[in-house]
Amino acid sequence: RKEVEQDPGPFNVPEGATVAFNCTYSNSASQSFFWYRQDCRKEPKLLMSVYSSGNEDGRFTAQLNRASQYISLLIRDSKLSDSATYLCVVNSVTGGGNKLTFGTGTQLKVEL
Amino acid sequence: DADVTQTPRNRITKTGKRIMLECSQTKGHDRMYWYRQDPGLGLRLIYYSFDVKDINKGEISDGYSVSRQAQAKFSLSLESAIPNQTALYFCATSGEGQGPYNEQFFGPGTRLTVL
Repeated sequence: RKEVEQDPGPFNVPEGATVAFNCTYSNSASQSFFWYRQDCRKEPKLLMSVYSSGNEDGRFTAQLNRASQYISLLIRDSKLSDSATYLCVVNSVTGGGNKLTFGTGTQLKVEL
Repeated sequence: DADVTQTPRNRITKTGKRIMLECSQTKGHDRMYWYRQDPGLGLRLIYYSFDVKDINKGEISDGYSVSRQAQAKFSLSLESAIPNQTALYFCATSGEGQGPYNEQFFGPGTRLTVL
């Protein structure tokens, strides 16, 4: 089983739609969680951290369910500019520092 | 100006050649990382360094070596390149501390093709 699993998509949605991505992780000792965004042929950039109580940043909402080892990202009112690949990232703290494990990403295409 | 830079941005080389990818950062971070990205496999950690005198192997270090020349510089070498090392390579940095929310900042990537 992969440490971090995501549906690769692509998710093709019309502008204005709401779309949700899911991610599961296998290491129950994982401590923190992130969503990164990666545009085509570009570097990943942090979109948002995921807190235990869930958190929202504008049109984006992240949820964490530790019992089910499950993370989600909800995007409301999708924009064309949201088209990208969304990477689920799990942080485990090792002896010297944090180790990030990346999912393979979910591709989103927002269309007119 | 970019905080994390990588050179070259694109490179085509032949099997058996030695190649070095360089990474520089102006963020003042102690921690630096090298990843490779392949379609369907996500980013995988090759090597990481928590300070100038610290080098650690990641999950796929075979066939690679690194050098941390200074706090701001971390280079990745392929001693004898092979075609399955064709990939997109990213350098990243992060700040100190074991804070669970430490963000990693990525360079723009180097696209390497080994023929």
